[in-house]
Amino acid sequence: SQELEQSPQSLIVQEGKNLTINCTSSKTLYGLYWYKQKYGEGLIFLMMLQKGGEEKSHEKITAKLDEKKQQSSLHITASQPSHAGIYLCGADSLTDKLSFGAGTTVTVRA
Amino acid sequence: NAGVTQTPKFRVLKTGQSMTLLCAQDMNHEYMYWYRQDPGMGLRLIHYSVGEGTTAKGEVPDGYNVSRLKKQNFLLGLESAAPSQTSVYFCASSFGNEQFFGPGTRLTVL
Repeated sequence: SQELEQSPQSLIVQEGKNLTINCTSSKTLYGLYWYKQKYGEGLIFLMMLQKGGEEKSHEKITAKLDEKKQQSSLHITASQPSHAGIYLCGADSLTDKLSFGAGTTVTVRA
Repeated sequence: NAGVTQTPKFRVLKTGQSMTLLCAQDMNHEYMYWYRQDPGMGLRLIHYSVGEGTTAKGEVPDGYNVSRLKKQNFLLGLESAAPSQTSVYFCASSFGNEQFFGPGTRLTVL
């Protein structure tokens, strides 16, 4: 199975500061998904990356997939309290299933 | 559209009791999934289904059974609950690669 390692496990950032979360795979990523989860709620889809070197942005969140397709990063610019939550990366292993990382808990301090 | 719904939202069981978690989706998705989420371990796939009448084992299937008698419903059963099954359970459905998640069921087994 495809193993995903996320780092850091958790982080605390001052409101207005930037932050980056990394997701590293043991195998080539055919599709990499980023989800956000608020405490006690389900997962909300953020972005999907498929091509090496691909970069997507939505509002203040940017996700990148490296050329080798084994590492992805999620960058949040000028963080706000609404960005707090757990961010999970999921990998498509060309089966019917996704494998997920353990998640990164983001706390935004006012 | 309601999307993916799960019932119940919370449940407390005693060791040895049985229960069924219901997942329903109104998006006509073929694929449905059951995950459990535990601290520090991310989402782990229990069972999944690629269509009505089909089921398959995921990463952690032991102690659980599933059924997909109707396309819109995916049931997760615990025949004899154990404390190790205390977790948050998420259901998801998909048509293509993106998975849509339910709000979760928080289960405690005493």
